[in-house]
Amino acid sequence: DAKTTQPPSMDCAEGRAANLPCNHSTISGNEYVYWYRQIHSQGPQYIIHGLKNNETNEMASLIITEDRKSSTLILPHATLRDTAVYYCIVRAAGATDSWGKLQFGAGTQVVVTP
Amino acid sequence: NAGVMQNPRHLVRRRGQEARLRCSPMKGHSHVYWYRQLPEEGLKFMVYLQKENIIDESGMPKERFSAEFPKEGPSILRIQQVVRGDSAAYFCASSPRTSLNEQFFGPGTRLTVL
Repeated sequence: DAKTTQPPSMDCAEGRAANLPCNHSTISGNEYVYWYRQIHSQGPQYIIHGLKNNETNEMASLIITEDRKSSTLILPHATLRDTAVYYCIVRAAGATDSWGKLQFGAGTQVVVTP
Repeated sequence: NAGVMQNPRHLVRRRGQEARLRCSPMKGHSHVYWYRQLPEEGLKFMVYLQKENIIDESGMPKERFSAEFPKEGPSILRIQQVVRGDSAAYFCASSPRTSLNEQFFGPGTRLTVL
């Protein structure tokens, strides 16, 4: 079972920032937070990941709370092409067999509107 | 550098036939993962393989399903005696040797069992 909780859906206006919350209150010290998204009918796409520091790349920013029990993915300027299901996943580091798989939950359906 | 390739993209089988799904990982990637997405459901991990080895098959159904990743050639997911409940999208992902890196997903194979 997934170890994260996300809202089932959210809307965002084009050009505005989209802030996607994720709760992972049972996260362990060696677990990373990963974000993927799946645009309709396509394979999932990696967005970003982090352990405890905030991270930023060309796609998004990841803000992790100090206690690591929750995080927020920020899409700074949402476009229509960002409409997708966004998955927050915790993934252990260390043992080969435990950090191989990704455990997807239901994710958040984000709809970007004009 | 070509992405993860899967073929066929669409596969139609009658009940009782065999389905063989192929996945060519990205160049230089030695880790392959298979996931299944049933209609209107989330992605579920099936199996994690490295060259010639199955690392984690905890998500594989106990019967009719098998996977391999030979020294040469693509990874194969084989489903024997397919049933209608096997109809789903099957996604393959790959990652480089030094994973904890992100997994790169292919476009998927959509299996329809008549």
